[in-house]
This record gives sequence, structure tokens and C-alpha cells, in this order.
Amino acid sequence: QKEVEQNSGPLSVPEGAIASLNCTYSDRVSQSFFWYRQYSGKSPELIMSIYSNGDKEDGRFTAQLNKASQYVSLLIRDSQPSDSATYLCAVIGTGGSYIPTFGRGTSLIVHP
Amino acid sequence: EPEVTQTPSHQVTQMGQEVILRCVPISNHLYFYWYRQILGQKVEFLVSFYNNEISEKSEIFDDQFSVERPDGSNFTLKIRSTKLEDSAMYFCASIELMNTEAFFGQGTRLTVV
Repeated sequence: QKEVEQNSGPLSVPEGAIASLNCTYSDRVSQSFFWYRQYSGKSPELIMSIYSNGDKEDGRFTAQLNKASQYVSLLIRDSQPSDSATYLCAVIGTGGSYIPTFGRGTSLIVHP
Repeated sequence: EPEVTQTPSHQVTQMGQEVILRCVPISNHLYFYWYRQILGQKVEFLVSFYNNEISEKSEIFDDQFSVERPDGSNFTLKIRSTKLEDSAMYFCASIELMNTEAFFGQGTRLTVV
């Protein structure tokens, strides 16, 4: 059974700090990895996708993937109060299933 | 920028009634999904649809649920006889190509009373 695990938090960081969000997954052949941001009562909003090992940067966001360790992370530099939200990790595996499977999400609080 | 649109944004229905939730996926996308999120819980997969048929469904998607793409643009989720536990946010999502990013609609909040 595919599983995507995230620490539910909350993770509290001061404004301007780096927030580090982590996700592990159980399906070793998973191929595609995504980070979404979800504000309370709203739909998931795509932040980053990553498909190969290493780092991928987009503005203040960096996604890191380590397939050998089955681990994907999201770094948010210069965190702002507006970054306060729940961050969802989603994984698409192979083996005939192309369903994005979501973790429970990590609640991030950026305090001024 | 193309987006997934869902209607209605909020629906209140009595237990036992039928509801239809509507979605217009992004026009060149090929894969369509329904997810639900009960308040405070994770985003759960319900069903995927490709090439005018269901490609996968979860255990949640029982005989009370059905999906349809009646006219090549709309994608609907029907719940035949709603239960209290069906109260949740229902999200439609679409994907252009296999294994790529899913884009979500703004959701329909279903409240069963």
C-alpha cells in the first residue's frame, strides 16, 4: 500500500527564517513528487514538482529529492507570515497507478 | 491562466437526497480526478477518469457514487443517497499528461444535514 508520511506539526518559525518540511514515501518506484500549499478552507495550490534526485529551486522555495532514502523535502527561505498554511506532499507511483497520493500535511506557522 | 472550475461552491442537502457536483477541467487535460477532504483530515482519492471511463477508484467510491463526462467538458460526481458522513470538501483535479502536476478546482463544500 502506498503511503506518504508527513509530520503534522505545527512547525513554528520566525519571520525571515528557513522553514524545512519533510515527507517520506513507501512506494520505492514512485516517480513524481509534488508540494502543495493549502490555506484553511481552500483547495491545494501547486508550489513545486520534482522528478529526479537533487535540488530544484523556484524563488524562495527549494525541493529536494532523495529516491534512495525515499525522502522529499521543501525548504522555504525568508519565511513570511503569508506562508503560514498547511503544506501537502503528493506522490505519484508507477506499477500501473498514476494517482497522486497525499500526505496529511504539515502545518506551518510563521510568526512576526 | 487556465483553471479548473467547480460548482457550486457550497451545497447543503438533506440526508438521503441526491447531489451532483460539477467540474470543468482544464481543456487540454486528459486525466480527471475527484478527491474529498473531511474537515481536519487528509485529501483522499475517490476516483480517476481517463478516456471516458473510470481508470481507478478507492474503497470510498462505493455504489452510491458515480462519475460522468456528459458533454466533453463537464465532469460530474453524483452521490445518490447522501449520508451525514459524506459532509466534506470535494475537489476536482485534472492532469495534462501522466505523472505530471495535478491542478485543483476551488472545491465544493458539501454539508449533509
